[in-house]
Amino acid sequence: GQQLNQSPQSMFIQEGEDVSMNCTSSSIFNTWLWYKQDPGEGPVLLIALYKAGELTSNGRLTAQFGITRKDSFLNISASIPSDVGIYFCAGQPSMMDSNYQLIWGAGTKLIIKP
Amino acid sequence: EAQVTQNPRYLITVTGKKLTVTCSQNMNHEYMSWYRQDPGLGLRQIYYSMNVEVTDKGDVPEGYKVSRKEKRNFPLILESPSPNQTSLYFCASSLAFSSYEQYFGPGTRLTVT
Repeated sequence: GQQLNQSPQSMFIQEGEDVSMNCTSSSIFNTWLWYKQDPGEGPVLLIALYKAGELTSNGRLTAQFGITRKDSFLNISASIPSDVGIYFCAGQPSMMDSNYQLIWGAGTKLIIKP
Repeated sequence: EAQVTQNPRYLITVTGKKLTVTCSQNMNHEYMSWYRQDPGLGLRQIYYSMNVEVTDKGDVPEGYKVSRKEKRNFPLILESPSPNQTSLYFCASSLAFSSYEQYFGPGTRLTVT
């Protein structure tokens, strides 16, 4: 099935650094979602985006729905230890035959260097 | 507390021994879904259900069955598990199929030897 390209695959950062990750698609999407998965738990929704160009914040997290509708970005400012985990993007394609199912990225694993 | 529950959380079994992983949600959600998570592959959808008695295949349905007899429950059945079904499984639900904000259960780690 269709896939999203999520990058980077993993990130090693120092506490206090800003983090950026993104998801791209070859086709247009109507909705972009960003989830976080803590170790040993299920993914939890962080931010939902529904309009091209939309910029939405949730605390230190900011996500954007790309103008082309083919990408989305997630930024985390001033990272802290509890930010570690896997971040997933997910999107709903605008294709008529998409069956309304979400397409998922492979995840970005965030690791904070001691 | 609004939640999605799964049982068991951990399961080790042998090839061919039928098993069921239960999933239940208390949010009166119409839409429910099963995913498997494997390293480097992210979340892949196995089956989904838009409402009671309505189920459909996701991207990787082979070797799995589901049923949706009640709104709150969506069990995942492995009739004859094989080692390639060793994975981390998640159940999720959302208000409706058009509501993309899904709520996930805690996961079931399955090992098939």
